[in-house]
Amino acid sequence: GQNIDQPTEMTATEGAIVQINCTYQTSGFNGLFWYQQHAGEAPTFLSYNVLDGLEEKGRFSSFLSRSKGYSYLLLKELQMKDSASYLCAVRDSNYQLIWGAGTKLIIKP
Amino acid sequence: IAGITQAPTSQILAAGRRMTLRCTQDMRHNAMYWYRQDLGLGLRLIHYSNTAGTTGKGEVPDGYSVSRANTDDFPLTLASAVPSQTSVYFCASSDGTDTDTQYFGPGTRLTVL
Repeated sequence: GQNIDQPTEMTATEGAIVQINCTYQTSGFNGLFWYQQHAGEAPTFLSYNVLDGLEEKGRFSSFLSRSKGYSYLLLKELQMKDSASYLCAVRDSNYQLIWGAGTKLIIKP
Repeated sequence: IAGITQAPTSQILAAGRRMTLRCTQDMRHNAMYWYRQDLGLGLRLIHYSNTAGTTGKGEVPDGYSVSRANTDDFPLTLASAVPSQTSVYFCASSDGTDTDTQYFGPGTRLTVL
């Protein structure tokens, strides 16, 4: 079966750095996405990785290792508004997105 | 530009009733999707449409139907609602670029009693 694993919840301090991990086992791989979802709102696109390595976008970076079936999202200089759930999704061989259950990130002052 | 709109925002429905959730996009995206999101689970694909006039089944299609008469609209119908269909429903469309990123509507919170 196909599986995406992420920690259920993480807590971090405002101004700090946090790394959210995602491991996947899917039938095929055609890219990995990270989305942010604030409570009661829609998921919004953060980043996309299809090749191994690090993609940086301002305070957010995403890393991919296809051989290990592993990705992480790195958030720097955390702000209170970063409190949200972070969803990892993999596009499989059928070109459909398989979603993790999400990681709820709690930021404390 | 509105992006993707969904209606209604929320609905309480008696079991056995028929319900159509509406989804409209103004981005001229070819592909559209319906997902449900339940606590502790990832988004699960119900149905999708790669282009107007075509539809396909996702991971959890039973009890749901869709149609795609034109590019902009992608309604989801529950023919006879059951309590297990209580969920938050998201419509999405994808931009057809190299990444084919999906963009989501605001969601419909549906409660079936």
